[in-house]
Formats: sequence, C-alpha cells, structure tokens
Amino acid sequence: GQQVMQIPQYQHVQEGEDFTTYCNSSTTLSNIQWYKQRPGGHPVFLIQLVKSGEVKKQKRLTFQFGEAKKNSSLHITATQTTDVGTYFCAGGTNSGGSNYKLTFGKGTLLTVNP
Amino acid sequence: DSGVTQTPKHLITATGQRVTLRCSPRSGDLSVYWYQQSLDQGLQFLIQYYNGEERAKGNILERFSAQQFPDLHSELNLSSLELGDSALYFCASSVFPFYEQYFGPGTRLTVT
Repeated sequence: GQQVMQIPQYQHVQEGEDFTTYCNSSTTLSNIQWYKQRPGGHPVFLIQLVKSGEVKKQKRLTFQFGEAKKNSSLHITATQTTDVGTYFCAGGTNSGGSNYKLTFGKGTLLTVNP
Repeated sequence: DSGVTQTPKHLITATGQRVTLRCSPRSGDLSVYWYQQSLDQGLQFLIQYYNGEERAKGNILERFSAQQFPDLHSELNLSSLELGDSALYFCASSVFPFYEQYFGPGTRLTVT
C-alpha cells in the first residue's frame, strides 16, 4: 500500500536557525497537505499543494511539492519558540471515483531552544 | 477553537469493554473523519463519512465501527477493548471529502 515517509523524526534547533522537514511518497500523489500539532494539542491545517513543482509561502514557512509529485518539503526560516510542535504531511492519492485516500506521515517533532 | 467538538475528553475503561466516542463537525461540514494517534504509530486514519455515507476506510479494526447520523454528528464505537487500543482519538471534519480538515480536541482513551 501507499507509504508516506517523513524525515527527520526529530529536530532540535537553536532559535533563529532554519528547519526543514521532508516528505516522500512511494506513489505519485494527487495532492499533499501539511498540518502542525502543538504539544498537547490537535493537528491544525497549514496548507495544501496540488500542482507539480508548486511552491507556497506563509510568512517564514515555505512549502514545496516536487516535480514528480512524490515528495514535498516544509522549510521554516529563522525558527521561533512558537514553531515548536510536530509537523505532519499527508499525501492524497486518487485511483478513481470515490477511491481517494489520504495517508499521514509519522511527523517531525521540532523543538526550539530559546 | 476549530469548531469540531468531541466527547468525552477522557475515558478510562477496562479490557473487554465497549465505548462510544462522539463527534460534532463544524457547522456546514459534510465530511467526518476518525483518526487514532498513539506514540508509536503516529496519526492513523480510521474511517471517513460524507453526508451519512461511508466513503473511505483506513486501518480500522473489525472491533471498531462508526456511523454518521442525519444531523451529521458521528460516533465511533470501540468494542472488546485491548490495552493496545489506548490512544488519542481525533475526529476531523471538512466541507468536502479530503479538503482542508479541522480537527477536534480529541478523546483520550485509556484501557486498563
């Protein structure tokens, strides 16, 4: 079945450093979503990417979808303590009709040292 | 506050028992999803409903069942509970299937 791998599993940075998490799928995706979950909280939707090679920015966050639509990345510039949490990617595949499936990666836990 | 409500917040029960978790989606959302989150397995998709009908199934055990009612709220039934079923269960909702999902605060289930 479809697998979505996310690396790294954990990342600890000093405040002000950059951070990147990568998401790789075993199959071509129709779309990819990114979520953030703060410690003790619930996942919160960040963004969805649909087009091959798409790049979207939200302030210090940059999201990319690979040309082959099998990988994606989330890059945070100049991390802040408010960025702490687990970042999940979720890859969507559609094999026709109502046969859509969304598979979450295991997430990258980001901790930031002030 | 995402607008998705889940009850109860915490549930402690014994092995072999049956429990029901309840979810009310955001106003206007027709699609409801159930997820299980444990430390070692991450966020696992269980099942999805759209306007009362089952639309997608993930890694849901046969001991688990769910339904979405005409008023769009959903219930997840877990039976013959095992220690390994202890986890955080999230409900999420979206306007259409697999659009941007809004997650509820979760129900923490502890099986002793």
